[in-house]
Amino acid sequence: DAMVIQNPRYQVTQFGKPVTLSCSQTLNHNVMYWYQQKSSQAPKLLFHYYDKDFNNEADTPDNFQSRRPNTSFCFLDIRSPGLGDAAMYLCATELAGGQGTDTQYFGPGTRLTVL
Amino acid sequence: AQKVTQAQTEISVVEKEDVTLDCVYETRDTTYYLFWYKQPPSGELVFLIRRNSFDEQNEISGRYSWNFQKSTSSFNFTITASQVVDSAVYFCALSERNYGQNFVFGPGTRLSVLP
Repeated sequence: DAMVIQNPRYQVTQFGKPVTLSCSQTLNHNVMYWYQQKSSQAPKLLFHYYDKDFNNEADTPDNFQSRRPNTSFCFLDIRSPGLGDAAMYLCATELAGGQGTDTQYFGPGTRLTVL
Repeated sequence: AQKVTQAQTEISVVEKEDVTLDCVYETRDTTYYLFWYKQPPSGELVFLIRRNSFDEQNEISGRYSWNFQKSTSSFNFTITASQVVDSAVYFCALSERNYGQNFVFGPGTRLSVLP
């Protein structure tokens, strides 16, 4: 089935040690999003790609970077994770254009623990 | 700026009861989209429904129904004959314009259905 896949589902890293989370999609959607969700909170948008165009939210820390080497894959890099970066990271995709916004489809998320 | 309010932080019901989750939104746009997502304990956000601002028809899908009223800026979600598997956090979301720009989640309502 077409879907949004996130690997790994659980990631443990050490304080300050760079970590990369990955997202892939078989939906051929042109937009990919990364959200951060902390416990008992709503997802918070970090950034998104519209095709190859990168769009950063104004309050996303510089510690967070993203890469989209092709349509199917998108990576979230956390350069120096702090304890406050422990959260669920959700990837979503959307087929945008034409008749207005479409629906965002989410992956299962990667739960990041920072020791 | 747009805003989504879900006044009910947590709701508990006994199985087979009906339950309504409230969602109130604010936007200055005349064209916008409203969504409901379900987030079970596994963490994945599951898309339930999208409604555009020009379509005020209520919708029913099995045990789920949605009531959209522009006059009160509300998009409420009712689960009929609730089941334990309905236990989850439910998010209402609002998107203005195209491709999820200004996509905002409400704070979520945690629904517990007790056997």
